[in-house]
Amino acid sequence: QLQLQESGPGQVKPSETLSLTCTVSGDSISRNNYYWGWIRQPPGKGLEWIASIYSSGSTYYNPSLKSRVTISVDTSKNQFSLKVTSVTAADTAVYYCANAIGGPVDWFGPWGQGTLVTVSS
Amino acid sequence: QSVLTQPPSASGTPGQKVTISCSANTSNFGRNYVYWFQQLPGTAPKLLIFRNNQRPTGVPDRVSGSKSGTSASLAISGLRSEDEADYYCAAWDDSLSGNYVFGTGTKVTVL
Repeated sequence: QLQLQESGPGQVKPSETLSLTCTVSGDSISRNNYYWGWIRQPPGKGLEWIASIYSSGSTYYNPSLKSRVTISVDTSKNQFSLKVTSVTAADTAVYYCANAIGGPVDWFGPWGQGTLVTVSS
Repeated sequence: QSVLTQPPSASGTPGQKVTISCSANTSNFGRNYVYWFQQLPGTAPKLLIFRNNQRPTGVPDRVSGSKSGTSASLAISGLRSEDEADYYCAAWDDSLSGNYVFGTGTKVTVL
């Protein structure tokens, strides 16, 4: 059974870089037609798609975040990662990693439980 | 850029039907599929409807979706207490650089 688990610091200082990793278990991250992505949710607010990636390295970004965001995949570790640079309080959110099947935003697969990242000095 | 607007809240008593709307501010919405997600309190979202009106395996047929032009709807009939959750529509916006946009969200309360 495919499972995803986010990991990373729960607090990041303003202007620094937020780094998160999603560990995939139960299947290969390189499985055909499987995409991987990040979605975030500020406390008490709605959902925002951040980025998606295919195991081949093809990437898809939210245009409003693209200049600060990098998504990458490490097939040897069955993990994919997110980096957000120059963070501000507006980046405080629960960050979810998720599995898409067939397309970069076809969220048919499971999601991680989410990890809260707080931007604060 | 597309904005998908939902009513902030909806409610019903057990057994009733509740309908949630999702309205787009651009005509791009008309070309693309709508997806609906359910988010139970303290949990990750779960896909309820894909491609406007298709249900993933395991979603009961009392949940249905529809789309017409720049608007879409999610209907939940035979309302149950476990349906109390936040619901989000979503769609791909292929204007400019392309973006996947979530709706503003609707809190459904079972009275």
